[in-house]
Amino acid sequence: DSGVTQTPKHLITATGQRVTLRCSPRSGDLSVYWYQQSLDQGLQFLIQYYNGEERAKGNILERFSAQQFPDLHSELNLSSLELGDSALYFCASSPWEGGGLGYTFGSGTRLTVV
Amino acid sequence: GENVEQHPSTLSVQEGDSAVIKCTYSDSASNYFPWYKQELGKRPQLIIDIRSNVGEKKDQRIAVTLNKTAKHFSLHITETQPEDSAVYFCAASINIPTFGRGTSLIVHP
Repeated sequence: DSGVTQTPKHLITATGQRVTLRCSPRSGDLSVYWYQQSLDQGLQFLIQYYNGEERAKGNILERFSAQQFPDLHSELNLSSLELGDSALYFCASSPWEGGGLGYTFGSGTRLTVV
Repeated sequence: GENVEQHPSTLSVQEGDSAVIKCTYSDSASNYFPWYKQELGKRPQLIIDIRSNVGEKKDQRIAVTLNKTAKHFSLHITETQPEDSAVYFCAASINIPTFGRGTSLIVHP
């Protein structure tokens, strides 16, 4: 167990729907990062939050949004889902605002859009 | 932004052989280079990392080398074992790591 908890583990939903993925960081970590992993694209950075505030944005679609709550857990909201959104979504946490050090990944949420 | 190229995409070796995975990066400001191993259906896990002020780092059977001038870094695994079979990702980071597309390493018994 890495200490980073992601729920749910699996999600199957229809096109056009909206889903929410949840991530609880490792105890003491202030940063949460969201990544999308698809077969042909590898690990794509979506967005980072640090201590409740957005810190960096990657290739995140406008249909996607995220937030980090006062207890530091984070949620990734995906709306108007398309077949191409099917992927593994990982969150990672770290103690620091940046640098890439101390990254710990959660076990991921596998999203299937049908 | 940073761009990381990783080769090969698939690497098949016999148990006991060595395996080398190579990555290049584009942003000379990148200063941290981690490597992750991802077993099938599992999360990526850090196996070794190197900072830009170091040329080589070794941990038992794995080693990483960094050539800042050429902007490339490599992962070396010696005496490969079947349990080394996994997808390996390199990354280059200034602030947020940019990952390569991964190398699927298959070690045949």
